[in-house]
Amino acid sequence: DGGITQSPKYLFRKEGQNVTLSCEQNLNHDAMYWYRQDPGQGLRLIYYSQIVNDFQKGDIAEGYSVSREKKESFPLTVTSAQKNPTAFYLCASSMRDGSGNTIYFGEGSWLTVV
Amino acid sequence: AQSVTQPDIHITVSEGASLELRCNYSYGATPYLFWYVQSPGQGLQLLLKYFSGDTLVQGIKGFEAEFKRSQSSFNLRKPSVHWSDAAEYFCAVGAKGNTGKLIFGQGTTLQVKP
Repeated sequence: DGGITQSPKYLFRKEGQNVTLSCEQNLNHDAMYWYRQDPGQGLRLIYYSQIVNDFQKGDIAEGYSVSREKKESFPLTVTSAQKNPTAFYLCASSMRDGSGNTIYFGEGSWLTVV
Repeated sequence: AQSVTQPDIHITVSEGASLELRCNYSYGATPYLFWYVQSPGQGLQLLLKYFSGDTLVQGIKGFEAEFKRSQSSFNLRKPSVHWSDAAEYFCAVGAKGNTGKLIFGQGTTLQVKP
């Protein structure tokens, strides 16, 4: 089935460690996105990529890094510099033709710092 | 500043009753508007979207929303709520050409009483 796959679903990290969240899509979408969700704050954009080998910072990029080496993959690394990384992370994708196509979301990954 | 406000953090309605969830936005350009629904611990599912044309849009699961430019609002409605509608609802706004960069409201949690 076509869709967006995020892994792992649950992840625990010790303080000071980097962790990478995986996001893969088989929708042939050009654009991919990472959002962070905290209770009571809705979703906030971390990074986005509209084309392979290019990506842009969103509203809360500090302490995060991404790569876009393949069209179908957009992994997110939460670095030790991220002050409060415990959150629910959502990956999304869409076409890039500017006509206002739908953005599709993955099922999310829970990250807990212990 | 660009923003989305969902004034009601939590709403409780009886099964079979009508529902209206409020959404107000502040956006400099012509907005593209969305409503998403999220079940606990899951990703977001698109209910409906407004890009242009008829200001009353129909979505999935019997939901509809009306765009009112003069009031900067995009309220979500359903004539008869089902218990399975209990979830969190997010209003979001984006710009033409880059609809994956969405600004989300804080969400409204809907509880349905039997």
